[in-house]
Amino acid sequence: NAGVTQTPKFQVLKTGQSMTLQCAQDMNHNSMYWYRQDPGMGLRLIYYSASEGTTDKGEVPNGYNVSRLNKREFSLRLESAAPSQTSVYFCASTPTQQVKAQPQHFGDGTRLSIL
Amino acid sequence: AQSVTQLGSHVSVSEGALVLLRCNYSSSVPPYLFWYVQYPNQGLQLLLKYTSAATLVKGINDFEAEFKKSETSFHLTKPSAHMSDAAEYFCAVSDRETRGNTPLVFGKGTRLSVIA
Repeated sequence: NAGVTQTPKFQVLKTGQSMTLQCAQDMNHNSMYWYRQDPGMGLRLIYYSASEGTTDKGEVPNGYNVSRLNKREFSLRLESAAPSQTSVYFCASTPTQQVKAQPQHFGDGTRLSIL
Repeated sequence: AQSVTQLGSHVSVSEGALVLLRCNYSSSVPPYLFWYVQYPNQGLQLLLKYTSAATLVKGINDFEAEFKKSETSFHLTKPSAHMSDAAEYFCAVSDRETRGNTPLVFGKGTRLSVIA
């Protein structure tokens, strides 16, 4: 059972470099999310996609862009990486658009360091 | 906006002791509530969820949580801690009233340490 797959698992970038984090789910879920996790801050929503073809900003969208490539894939792009974007990034998905009572399924994360 | 507060960023218990992790939500209308666990270097896994069917919710690994409207709380408990319970625990909330899609809002997390 693959579930939610994130690539890469680890990455080190230099300030100013660009990078795309990939996420794919094989559960036929409609909604997908990108979070960042920082010590003492919990998970903060960057962007989400309620369904294929739609994306919305979350709590901390600045410096990021997303693409919902198809129903399975939702990528996160850093156009010009900054040290403040050093974090662990998680992708998640939920089964339907009616997300209120649905738990999210998470990938194992991408650990990103920006020097 | 909906928010959730987890009291205590770090809780330490002895093996075999009661585990109590606290979570309070902010809305006047009871939301949907979730507890997740994160083991080191892994993603989050659902422990249990409250959707209004029953106030005492049982989850995996003998965890349970009780919804108390009068206290706006959804505290997580386990009668006897195991070493394998050492992890970070997150409470999350989803607003019932907001139309459309409303992603979960997470608390800042509580790290549980279990002492042998």
